[in-house]
Amino acid sequence: SYELTQPPSVSVSPGQTARITCSGDALPKKYAYWYQQKSGQAPVLVIYEDTKRPSGIPERFSGSSSGPMATLTISGAQVEDEGDYYCYSTDSSGNHKVFGGGTKLTVL
Amino acid sequence: QVQLVQSGAEVKKPGASVKVSCKAAGFTFSNYYMHWVRQAPGQGLEWMGMIYPSGGSTTYAQKFQGRVTMTRDTSTGTVYMELTSLRSEDTAVYYCAREGRNGGFEYWGQGTLVTVSS
Repeated sequence: SYELTQPPSVSVSPGQTARITCSGDALPKKYAYWYQQKSGQAPVLVIYEDTKRPSGIPERFSGSSSGPMATLTISGAQVEDEGDYYCYSTDSSGNHKVFGGGTKLTVL
Repeated sequence: QVQLVQSGAEVKKPGASVKVSCKAAGFTFSNYYMHWVRQAPGQGLEWMGMIYPSGGSTTYAQKFQGRVTMTRDTSTGTVYMELTSLRSEDTAVYYCAREGRNGGFEYWGQGTLVTVSS
């Protein structure tokens, strides 16, 4: 079955840039999506179609994709950005969806 | 506004089945794919499958094939997820989510905790 691979954790100081990667064989052809989840809450979409930001998401969140790797970048990370981040995409057929294992972002 | 309201928490014994509902409001129900995602305690998100309310076509994750059934009632704007042959590893929060035109899950239900315990 198709898998997306993320680092388990990323840690930065406030104001620094946090980068979370997601690798998968189908990413050169399929969009990546990114979700933020804070403890006890439902996930929130922060990036769609590799690079686009939904309304209401701060400009410090950006996305990029190159070959088999997608990257979520948080420029000037803030303490409130702490949480778990998940990438999401589909396999090459487009029918089967998958989440990455998640990355815990610590900002302190 | 868009709302997805899920049914309440459930406690089930191993081997039993559970059926979770997700009632949609604030949008044309039939026009959007609806997905189910679960999250075991302390674990990551896991995609289970999706249903297109107009017509009722479904796609399930391979892991759940044969154990999960997703249905819809277009008269009430409700989608259902039934999981059978429950085991302790199925203890999780189950979310419904609406897929937007951009392919992302823009709206989520509040989650339903299903506990499987003898």
